[in-house]
Amino acid sequence: DAKTTQPTSMDCAEGRAANLPCNHSTISGNEYVYWYRQIHSQGPQYIIHGLKNNETNEMASLIITEDRKSSTLILPHATLRDTAVYYCIVRLAGGTSYGKLTFGQGTILTVHP
Amino acid sequence: KAGVTQTPRYLIKTRGQQVTLSCSPISGHRSVSWYQQTPGQGLQFLFEYFSETQRNKGNFPGRFSGRQFSNSRSEMNVSTLELGDSALYLCASSLFGDQPQHFGDGTRLSIL
Repeated sequence: DAKTTQPTSMDCAEGRAANLPCNHSTISGNEYVYWYRQIHSQGPQYIIHGLKNNETNEMASLIITEDRKSSTLILPHATLRDTAVYYCIVRLAGGTSYGKLTFGQGTILTVHP
Repeated sequence: KAGVTQTPRYLIKTRGQQVTLSCSPISGHRSVSWYQQTPGQGLQFLFEYFSETQRNKGNFPGRFSGRQFSNSRSEMNVSTLELGDSALYLCASSLFGDQPQHFGDGTRLSIL
């Protein structure tokens, strides 16, 4: 699976959009970009994933650059409850990587009042 | 729809003992994966089970084992516990293994 690079930490004001970048310059054509977050003392929570097109769901939007070498997770209106560690993961579609997610160190997002 | 349930939530053991952790996946999910989370190593993949068969395994010693039952519930076992096994053990389920995984809140294991 391709390696990802994320900033160690970011801050965001409550009510503003939080834009979390991720670099995955070695991504291959059949690898998806997944985002999870982990709030203290809880298990990771699935947020969104995509292959090449931008994706949106009730939680967030995922913007993937045309060359697929980077992506941005957007939380449109951050709340204090969005304070968490955010993980960007690149994962092979199918193959023999069943069930395996390779987590990096993630980005600690702190939302301030 | 109920989420992934892990039991127990907390466990304290001593070195040399063994422990069994349980995971009930989301109804209809057939793939169950296990992860270990420590402050030093972060989240690391242990193994994945599908239809009672282990399909994938991470880089952990043989003291770590697991199994899956016909109802997709899974257990993991750690034998001859060491101090370094103190960690949060997380279970995740998905439909077939290559879809988004949904995690439980883990079992926090402390070794004295």
